[in-house]
Amino acid sequence: GQQLNQSPQSMFIQEGEDVSMNCTSSSIFNTWLWYKQDPGEGPVLLIALYKAGELTSNGRLTAQFGITRKDSFLNISASIPSDVGIYFCAGQGIYGGSQGNLIFGKGTKLSVKP
Amino acid sequence: ETGVTQSPTHLIKTRGQQVTLRCSSQSGHNTVSWYQQALGQGPQFIFQYYREEENGRGNFPPRFSGLQFPNYSSELNVNALELDDSALYLCASSFSLNTEAFFGQGTRLTVV
Repeated sequence: GQQLNQSPQSMFIQEGEDVSMNCTSSSIFNTWLWYKQDPGEGPVLLIALYKAGELTSNGRLTAQFGITRKDSFLNISASIPSDVGIYFCAGQGIYGGSQGNLIFGKGTKLSVKP
Repeated sequence: ETGVTQSPTHLIKTRGQQVTLRCSSQSGHNTVSWYQQALGQGPQFIFQYYREEENGRGNFPPRFSGLQFPNYSSELNVNALELDDSALYLCASSFSLNTEAFFGQGTRLTVV
């Protein structure tokens, strides 16, 4: 099935460092979403973006909707151990058969050294 | 207000059998979507239900079918199970079409 290009696939960082990950697509999306998934759990919504160029923050998390509508990035500032997990980007279409359908990236696995 | 709940949490089935997975949507939500997540992959869209009608389907064969009930809860049925159907099945509900989707904890299906 279709998936977005998400990078990096994994990263190890020191506690307190900033983290950046991004997602690109060959298709245009009307909504970009970022989720975090812990082992054995479902994805938890972190940030939703609805407008090209939009920059949105949620605590230490900041995400942007790319101007071309084909990309998005997520930044985590001052990482802490509980940031460990897998982060997924997802794009959502709005018209026709793509309405409501979320297309996911393969995830970025974040590991933090305490 | 309860979130999205799925049952069962884990399930083991034999190849060729049929399985039904259940999802209770978050209070006030009328849209439910189902996703299949293989190990190490992102979730893949199976189908979506809006007000009891199917409203979009991903690239899954007809042996994957679903229902949405008047209370907006939903079922995912899979017939003639294959080994490759082993995955985490996720249900997501949203207030309406094109609004944020909130996921349940998933059902881990193992086909042996």
